[in-house]
Amino acid sequence: GQQVMQIPQYQHVQEGEDFTTYCNSSTTLSNIQWYKQRPGGHPVFLIQLVKSGEVKKQKRLTFQFGEAKKNSSLHITATQTTDVGTYFCAVFQGAQKLVFGQGTRLTINP
Amino acid sequence: ETGVTQTPRHLVMGMTNKKSLKCEQHLGHNAMYWYKQSAKKPLELMFVYNFKEQTENNSVPSRFSPECPNSSHLFLHLHTLQPEDSALYLCASSQSTGGNTGELFFGEGSRLTVL
Repeated sequence: GQQVMQIPQYQHVQEGEDFTTYCNSSTTLSNIQWYKQRPGGHPVFLIQLVKSGEVKKQKRLTFQFGEAKKNSSLHITATQTTDVGTYFCAVFQGAQKLVFGQGTRLTINP
Repeated sequence: ETGVTQTPRHLVMGMTNKKSLKCEQHLGHNAMYWYKQSAKKPLELMFVYNFKEQTENNSVPSRFSPECPNSSHLFLHLHTLQPEDSALYLCASSQSTGGNTGELFFGEGSRLTVL
C-alpha cells in the first residue's frame, strides 16, 4: 500500500525563521492530507491536496503537492511560538485506511 | 470540542485487568477509527469501521477487541495487556462517500498505562 516517508523527524528553529517538512512516496498518491498536533493535544486536520502541482496557502503556511504526486511539503514562513507541535502528512491506502507519516516535531526558541 | 468524545481520558490497569475505552462522535459520520500513538510509532492505525462494519484490522493483537454497535459509538476492549501497550489511544471519525473519505476528526485520546 501507499506509504510516505516524512523528514526531518525533528526541527528546532529560532522564532521568526522559516520551517519546512517534506513527505515522499515511491508511488503516485491520489491525494495527501496534513495534520498538526500540539503538545499534549490531538491531531487536527489542516488541509488536503488533490491536484498535481497544487499549491495552497493558509496565512503563513504553504502546502505543495508535487507535479508527479509523489511528494508534498509544508512550509511555514516566519515561525511563531504558536506553530510548535508535530506536523503529519497522511495518505490513504484504499478508501478509508488513512496512514500517517512519522511526523516532524517542530520546536521554537522564542 | 471536536465532536468526538473519548472516555476515560486516563486509565491505569494491571496486566490481568479487563477494561474498555469508549468513543462517541456527534458529527453524523459513517466511519470510525482507532489509532495508537506511542514514542516508537507516532500514529499507528489499528481498526477502521464503516457503517459499523469492520473494514480494516491492521494486524492488531487479539488482546485488543473493538466493538462498533452503531455509527456513532466505538469501543476498544482491553484484556491481558502488556506494558508495551501503554500509549495514547486516539479515536477518530470521518465521512466516507462513494469511495472518497474526507478529513479525520480526532478525539482528545485515552492515555493508557499498563503496569
